[in-house]
Amino acid sequence: KAGVTQTPRYLIKTRGQQVTLSCSPISGHRSVSWYQQTPGQGLQFLFEYFSETQRNKGNFPGRFSGRQFSNSRSEMNVSTLELGDSALYLCASSLETRRNSGANVLTFGAGSRLTVL
Amino acid sequence: LAKTTQPISMDSYEGQEVNITCSHNNIATNDYITWYQQFPSQGPRFIIQGYKTKVTNEVASLFIPADRKSSTLSLPRVSLSDTAVYYCLVLVDSGSARQLTFGSGTQLTVLP
Repeated sequence: KAGVTQTPRYLIKTRGQQVTLSCSPISGHRSVSWYQQTPGQGLQFLFEYFSETQRNKGNFPGRFSGRQFSNSRSEMNVSTLELGDSALYLCASSLETRRNSGANVLTFGAGSRLTVL
Repeated sequence: LAKTTQPISMDSYEGQEVNITCSHNNIATNDYITWYQQFPSQGPRFIIQGYKTKVTNEVASLFIPADRKSSTLSLPRVSLSDTAVYYCLVLVDSGSARQLTFGSGTQLTVLP
């Protein structure tokens, strides 16, 4: 069974540019969530999608957005990049049994490491 | 939302038992506590999950007191390959919002 696939694994952008990251969940998983990981802030929740609908959103500015397609694949976009956006962006999928619950075991991808210069 | 706190780092020797505690004062009353392990350049990986008292699987035990304001991950007889960062994940209820929140993470270093 294939795991969660994130592309690209590494990318370098400059301030002001935008970036799109992609996530392919485990087959059959309809919930996809995104997290930002930095040394200073740790793992922070960005947003969660289920059946193409954003159901939860973390405390991030509107420059961070995402979407989910009918095949459950998800993308996240960051516009007008800032130096502080440099981070590892992690995607996780789950076979949801309870909405907005820690009971849903998350399977993470390896992440996309974004460096903003 | 209230922070979910863990010790920043811990050192242990091979073969010892390691206990890592996570404090989560504002945990939602009806949700699970989950622990994840993360190696460098990888995403976190599920270790164990529980709601109350004690849960044990083939790799770890999870102890949860009656008030559920903390939880302790216990790793028996650690080996060098257990060197990783460990995170707890809980549903935090601030009164106005409920959000899944990772702990600050604990870097466990196992020494030979």
